[in-house]
Amino acid sequence: AQTVTQSQPEMSVQEAETVTLSCTYDTSENNYYLFWYKQPPSRQMILVIRQEAYKQQNATENRFSVNFQKAAKSFSLKISDSQLGDTAMYFCAFMKPNDYKLSFGAGTTVTVRA
Amino acid sequence: DAGVIQSPRHEVTEMGQEVTLRCKPISGHDYLFWYRQTMMRGLELLIYFNNNVPIDDSGMPEDRFSAKMPNASFSTLKIQPSEPRDSAVYFCASSLRLNRQGTEAFFGQGTRLTVV
Repeated sequence: AQTVTQSQPEMSVQEAETVTLSCTYDTSENNYYLFWYKQPPSRQMILVIRQEAYKQQNATENRFSVNFQKAAKSFSLKISDSQLGDTAMYFCAFMKPNDYKLSFGAGTTVTVRA
Repeated sequence: DAGVIQSPRHEVTEMGQEVTLRCKPISGHDYLFWYRQTMMRGLELLIYFNNNVPIDDSGMPEDRFSAKMPNASFSTLKIQPSEPRDSAVYFCASSLRLNRQGTEAFFGQGTRLTVV
């Protein structure tokens, strides 16, 4: 089983500021997929961003970007210009290409302060 | 598409009762997953199906849990008999087979189960 570690249980950020969430994982695979999911108080799990391990370029989606360091097995999420609607729990997840199940980290609760 | 639809959204039942959770995946998706979320264990995969066939049920905690997918548009997760430690949020998710653009799992809104 893959291990995904999120070492920050909680983070707080001022509106319009930047916050970075850390994620590390353990795998012997060379190719795989990494994801960040957001879970707001509504409980819905929403995909924020996705990264394929064979791509060296870091994925970006609007205010969300990742820093993917394959050798270090690190996959951090940066939220720029934080908005109140970004308040949620964020989960890092790992998936092998031919094994479609997701392994999730424990999550990081992000609170954006007005 | 309306997304993954789960019912009910909330369920409160007494210990020993049978509980059935339902899921309608996104049309055309060929993978369906059942996850459970608890404070203690986080998000864990219970079982997943490909083309209605169970592929991996190693996450199903006990024989009290069973899941079926009689057709491409419907799946159930049943707990019989239920116990207080089964209290959790149960998510259903669906996805398409992986391609070079990658894939993502689309989640339903979850069923919050409380067993008293």
